[in-house]
Amino acid sequence: DAKTTQPNSMESNEEEPVHLPCNHSTISGTDYIHWYRQLPSQGPEYVIHGLTSNVNNRMASLAIAEDRKSSTLILHRATLRDAAVYYCIRTGANNLFFGTGTRLTVIP
Amino acid sequence: NAGVTQTPKFQVLKTGQSMTLQCAQDMNHEYMSWYRQDPGMGLRLIHYSVGAGITDQGEVPNGYNVSRSTTEDFPLRLLSAAPSQTSVYFCASTRGTGGFYSPLHFGNGTRLTVT
Repeated sequence: DAKTTQPNSMESNEEEPVHLPCNHSTISGTDYIHWYRQLPSQGPEYVIHGLTSNVNNRMASLAIAEDRKSSTLILHRATLRDAAVYYCIRTGANNLFFGTGTRLTVIP
Repeated sequence: NAGVTQTPKFQVLKTGQSMTLQCAQDMNHEYMSWYRQDPGMGLRLIHYSVGAGITDQGEVPNGYNVSRSTTEDFPLRLLSAAPSQTSVYFCASTRGTGGFYSPLHFGNGTRLTVT
């Protein structure tokens, strides 16, 4: 049972918006959706999280489907520094499950 | 603040040897947790702690022991290393009582090779 499913890779042109999808069709009512990103040889870095409503912060926006079976991380203007592996994660109070991540390539 | 500090950065062990991976945080976070990351995969939870003196198992706990005697430190012990434990290990902490609902702060990892 894949807890979350993401495309293996995506490309974006620099300064264009990027929409990174995640499927979590078996999510429970109390699970949150978190997004982290990871650069080579570093630990994951928190990006954003939410439960039901769409969320915005200085790094990104998170759009959660009304049935909560999918979500989309939105980077409004991709920069070269946004090139990383992005992980969509289901989190419960005492457990969490990473997907295999989407490798984002940003083209100058 | 240093955040979450992991030592060592690299380690090579022979099968059957034991070692302890160190993790320390200076943010006074209650929750701490250990993960392993195998090539091309996301992280998997090994053990976690909700506070000093309290630990619990995650998704892949076999072969690993933990203890939490202080808020700051959460060491991970391999009692008898096996080649299957070759991986990159990450430690993380998070504040308050929100558990994994709250954002995690990760260290930069320990790359372990078992020959």
